[in-house]
Amino acid sequence: DTAVSQTPKYLVTQMGNDKSIKCEQNLGHDTMYWYKQDSKKFLKIMFSYNNKELIINETVPNRFSPKSPDKAHLNLHINSLELGDSAVYFCASAAGQNTEAFFGQGTRLTVV
Amino acid sequence: DAKTTQPNSMESNEEEPVHLPCNHSTISGTDYIHWYRQLPSQGPEYVIHGLTSNVNNRMASLAIAEDRKSSTLILHRATLRDAAVYYCILREYSGGGADGLTFGKGTHLIIQP
Repeated sequence: DTAVSQTPKYLVTQMGNDKSIKCEQNLGHDTMYWYKQDSKKFLKIMFSYNNKELIINETVPNRFSPKSPDKAHLNLHINSLELGDSAVYFCASAAGQNTEAFFGQGTRLTVV
Repeated sequence: DAKTTQPNSMESNEEEPVHLPCNHSTISGTDYIHWYRQLPSQGPEYVIHGLTSNVNNRMASLAIAEDRKSSTLILHRATLRDAAVYYCILREYSGGGADGLTFGKGTHLIIQP
């Protein structure tokens, strides 16, 4: 079983659309994250959720909103997509702050 | 999280040991040293972490300087599958809450057959 799974793996969409990326972890972890990796390969954290509460909200546009229906899921909703949103988005989970984080395989979002 | 400095890239031959350095001169007493790697077209993968003592696991060894201002990730016998970007990350242990990993540019490890 895949520990952290994201869907879809690839997403191509037009500017202005609204889209969601789903993430599920089957590790029983309390904390989940969303990261963005841009075209220059820089990985930056966007959000983290701990027990369904938002812990970090980095300086990302409010067009991005994480939604956690339960501890095992953290979905990323993006409204009014822009060209600059094109990137690879990674979901991750961890049991605690100084335990290893497990990453999904990424979702490559292309906005045209 | 405190800053780390790594070489942009390193090259090694297959079946040979690889020593990946990381400088973290501003490390605080509660900072753990974490290493992750990212293989091509994959998500980051945990490698190892430590606080003060050297650490070994099935993937690698972590050698931490006595003053903790630098560390070295050691791959004992590199294979082609070890070609990846390796990230050295400091994480402050505060005992509670949750924060993410602060990734730098990492070291692009190239393995020659």
